[in-house]
Amino acid sequence: DAKTTQPTSMDCAEGRAANLPCNHSTISGNEYVYWYRQIHSQGPQYIIHGLKNNETNEMASLIITEDRKSSTLILPHATLRDTAVYYCIVRVSGGSNYKLTFGKGTLLTVNP
Amino acid sequence: DAGVIQSPRHEVTEMGQEVTLRCKPISGHNSLFWYRQTMMRGLELLIYFNNNVPIDDSGMPEDRFSAKMPNASFSTLKIQPSEPRDSAVYFCASSFERALLNEQFFGPGTRLTVL
Repeated sequence: DAKTTQPTSMDCAEGRAANLPCNHSTISGNEYVYWYRQIHSQGPQYIIHGLKNNETNEMASLIITEDRKSSTLILPHATLRDTAVYYCIVRVSGGSNYKLTFGKGTLLTVNP
Repeated sequence: DAGVIQSPRHEVTEMGQEVTLRCKPISGHNSLFWYRQTMMRGLELLIYFNNNVPIDDSGMPEDRFSAKMPNASFSTLKIQPSEPRDSAVYFCASSFERALLNEQFFGPGTRLTVL
């Protein structure tokens, strides 16, 4: 699986958009970009994933650059409960491609 | 759905004792994972079961660790004998393998402290 690079930490004001970047310059054509987050003292939680196109769900939006070498997770209106470590993971999806390799992630702190 | 259920949530034991962690995956899921999380090493996959069969146990640290999945709704991770360096949070996760998404759903974890 391709390696990812994320900032160690970021701050965001409550109610503002949080934009979390991820670099994955060695991503292969069949690898998806996944985002998980881990709120303190809880297990990781799936947020969103994408291949080429931008994706949006009830939690977040995922913007993937045209060359697919980087992506941004957007939380449109961050709340205090969004304070968590956010993990960007790239991997082949589906079937027996089960491995999720978690790096160190980005600690997002949402401030009141 | 109650999600992935793990027990106990906290376990404190003394070095040399046997520890058994339990997991009930989401009903209908056919894949189960055990992870360990420490400050030093982050989240590591220990073992992966598919249809109750261990597929990949390359992450199991040593012979003191063993995992079983006797049926689709129950799994255990056993450490015998336990050592202080086994102190960590242990997560169980489940997924439905044939789904394209392959999203893994994590339990709340068991915080293990070995004195």
